[in-house]
Amino acid sequence: SQKIEQNSEALNIQEGKTATLTCNYTNYSPAYLQWYRQDPGRGPVFLLLIRENEKEKRKERLKVTFDTTLKQSLFHITASQPADSATYLCALLASGGSYIPTFGRGTSLIVHP
Amino acid sequence: DGGITQSPKYLFRKEGQNVTLSCEQNLNHDAMYWYRQDPGQGLRLIYYSQIVNDFQKGDIAEGYSVSREKKESFPLTVTSAQKNPTAFYLCASSMLGNMNTEAFFGQGTRLTVV
Repeated sequence: SQKIEQNSEALNIQEGKTATLTCNYTNYSPAYLQWYRQDPGRGPVFLLLIRENEKEKRKERLKVTFDTTLKQSLFHITASQPADSATYLCALLASGGSYIPTFGRGTSLIVHP
Repeated sequence: DGGITQSPKYLFRKEGQNVTLSCEQNLNHDAMYWYRQDPGQGLRLIYYSQIVNDFQKGDIAEGYSVSREKKESFPLTVTSAQKNPTAFYLCASSMLGNMNTEAFFGQGTRLTVV
């Protein structure tokens, strides 16, 4: 069956360090992979999209990599700040036209001052 | 401001009651979605619609119903047949045929059965 796995344990890091979050998937052929940020009690907010033929995408302090051979995406936040503390969700959009986002359960990031 | 609005933010339902969650968007998006989120869980797809007067079941449609009479609106009814309706409900919309396919989410409705 199709599965998207994100680390269920919270990631605790010190301010200024780089946070790295992982999204693994099985039995998918995603055309796109997205990352969202979700704060408690609120809806997710889109951060970045990467296509299947792209290896890396950057936006300000954010970097996403996509390895379709390993079936894995890594999401990096450099120079992390306490304000980056949130849950980060990955979503896959399969090829075939409908492009309906299928979400992982998310990983909580806690940045300590 | 363009966006997607869900109401109410909090909703309480008695056993056996149907309740309807509102979702409105002014982004001119064709596609709209309903997801359910339980604590420690990812978002699970309930229903989606890509065109007015048409909608499709998602992974957990049992006990729910939707309508799409207008492009801007996609209300979700949680029926008494839904055995465990207490959850956080999220509505989203996106453009079709757009290479970016970014989904915009509402602020969610927290439904509690009392």
